[in-house]
Amino acid sequence: QVQLVQSGAEVKKPGSSVKVSCKASGGTFSSYAISWVRQAPGQGLEWMGGIIPIFGPADYAQNFQVRVTITADDSTSTVYMELSSLRSEDTAVYFCARRSLDSSAYYGWGQGTLVTVSS
Amino acid sequence: SYVLTQPPSVSVAPGQTARITCGGNNIGSKSVHWYQQKPGQAPLLVVYDDSDRPSGIPERFSGSNSGNTATLTISRIEAGDEADYYCQVWDSNSDHVVFGGGTKLTVL
Repeated sequence: QVQLVQSGAEVKKPGSSVKVSCKASGGTFSSYAISWVRQAPGQGLEWMGGIIPIFGPADYAQNFQVRVTITADDSTSTVYMELSSLRSEDTAVYFCARRSLDSSAYYGWGQGTLVTVSS
Repeated sequence: SYVLTQPPSVSVAPGQTARITCGGNNIGSKSVHWYQQKPGQAPLLVVYDDSDRPSGIPERFSGSNSGNTATLTISRIEAGDEADYYCQVWDSNSDHVVFGGGTKLTVL
């Protein structure tokens, strides 16, 4: 059973960057894809982008293409999401989620990381 | 970009059946997945590939998909089913994931 454990809550200033980690345990890291999904307070789910570690380059939603970078470290089975040029509207819970390579359904989710952007 | 439309809210009495719709252009040609999210928790997959259930999900949860509408049906509603529900597809045109706006299910 694959588990995803995310890094802890962050408080950031506008204009700065944040890097959130998602560590996978159990299963084979290279046999699935990891995506990042964010949820602003009281709002719905928004897909940011994803990566298949064995294939390399990440794919990003158009809304985030300029500001987000998703990377994977095979040696530690960890995926990172870095969001730059933060603004107050980026205050949200950020989830990582896992899907198998032959499905687009997300079977497993991290616990979520609250990122607060405030001056 | 592909858009999924869900009703903002659905209300149903305990023991009755709830139906939550997800509208999209020719959605019947795509695989639709459904998630349940309770306050303060991560989403939980309850139906995948239109109508399949992950292990551990009660048979009360079922799905269908045809034409321009996919539907999540929850029978014999219980108080514990109160949550937000989201539909999701993979848009092959953009190679991106799309979520519906979510539906808040209230158990009366």
